[in-house]
Amino acid sequence: DGGITQSPKYLFRKEGQNVTLSCEQNLNHDAMYWYRQDPGQGLRLIYYSQIVNDFQKGDIAEGYSVSREKKESFPLTVTSAQKNPTAFYLCASEVATGAGELFFGEGSRLTVL
Amino acid sequence: QKEVEQNSGPLSVPEGAIASLNCTYSDRVSQSFFWYRQYSGKSPELIMSIYSNGDKEDGRFTAQLNKASQYVSLLIRDSQPSDSATYLCAVNRWGQGGKLIFGQGTELSVKP
Repeated sequence: DGGITQSPKYLFRKEGQNVTLSCEQNLNHDAMYWYRQDPGQGLRLIYYSQIVNDFQKGDIAEGYSVSREKKESFPLTVTSAQKNPTAFYLCASEVATGAGELFFGEGSRLTVL
Repeated sequence: QKEVEQNSGPLSVPEGAIASLNCTYSDRVSQSFFWYRQYSGKSPELIMSIYSNGDKEDGRFTAQLNKASQYVSLLIRDSQPSDSATYLCAVNRWGQGGKLIFGQGTELSVKP
């Protein structure tokens, strides 16, 4: 079945550590996105990629980094520079930027201890 | 002013009633509008899209768009307890590459 796989589902991190969240899709979509969701809030865009080897900052990119070396993969690294990293992270893909129908992974819940 | 605004709720309606969810947006050049449903602890899923003024119906769901008033709404007829979720309004930000911008969501609770 086609879809988006995020891992890990739950992750605990000590302050000062970098962590990488995995996102893999087999939908053959060009565009991929990372969103952050905090309790009672909507989705805020961290980074997005419209094509392999290219990505752009979203609204809250500080303290995060990404890569897009393969069409299927768009990992997100939460660095120690992110001041408040505890959140629910959602990866999504879209057939092309602007189509509007995002397919989401199940999310990764990061907790900083 | 937020680019996309929704009442956070919670909105509580009895089973069988009509639930009305509202959303306003600030960017007049927005062209495409979407409603996503998110169950607690889960990821969002697209339930409706609307591109032109007027109503669009899909089963028990009706999306309404008024571009002059910069207003989009979602009506859920014959609400069921299984409709209890957070509903996210999303708007294409065409002036900035077509990315979606989301409202904060409205929590809907349908009471049996």
